[in-house]
Amino acid sequence: GAVVSQHPSWVICKSGTSVKIECRSLDFQATTMFWYRQFPKQSLMLMATSNEGSKATYEQGVEKDKFLINHASLTLSTLTVTSAHPEDSSFYICSAPGLAGGGYNEQFFGPGTRLTVL
Amino acid sequence: LAKTTQPISMDSYEGQEVNITCSHNNIATNDYITWYQQFPSQGPRFIIQGYKTKVTNEVASLFIPADRKSSTLSLPRVSLSDTAVYYCLVGKMNTGFQKLVFGTGTRLLVSP
Repeated sequence: GAVVSQHPSWVICKSGTSVKIECRSLDFQATTMFWYRQFPKQSLMLMATSNEGSKATYEQGVEKDKFLINHASLTLSTLTVTSAHPEDSSFYICSAPGLAGGGYNEQFFGPGTRLTVL
Repeated sequence: LAKTTQPISMDSYEGQEVNITCSHNNIATNDYITWYQQFPSQGPRFIIQGYKTKVTNEVASLFIPADRKSSTLSLPRVSLSDTAVYYCLVGKMNTGFQKLVFGTGTRLLVSP
């Protein structure tokens, strides 16, 4: 199946700093990507839809000025957590639709990025 | 998107068959049923997708009754490595472009 990568796989930063997380579709193009956040022992929560060449669409309750999303190319979307605080510590996961073996599209997920804010 | 209901957790032993049932009473006519598997600190992985009756692949089987208000993921002869969280999602996922709303999932623990 299609492969989605994320970088970095984990990051530790000080409170008040900004952190950028990259999501790449390695062997296919993705005009749309999705960003999720997952706290320990909880389910994935959709944060935003990243659209290549246009503004991202944020879910209700997600601060767009805090979680900056840039989808500058057909294979790369970035999520920047600005002025990070300890409550932003979480597991961030991206996904992208791609063609599956059964001839239909499915969403392929990246391996996730563990963010710890001290 | 249709809301789904799954058991919070299940326990099994190696070699047993595990059946996880998901309720989706409000499924729409053109909705598909998709199951994902997630290991700790990893992104979810697609397991199987179906619309009606039965679908089988090398990993699992998916049983969908005629009214489509529920579905059952069947994992044959589980091993320790099948310990994970399993999510049932309903929507127009065959397009791949619909944003996914994850429910609580079912935490499966396989013991020796």
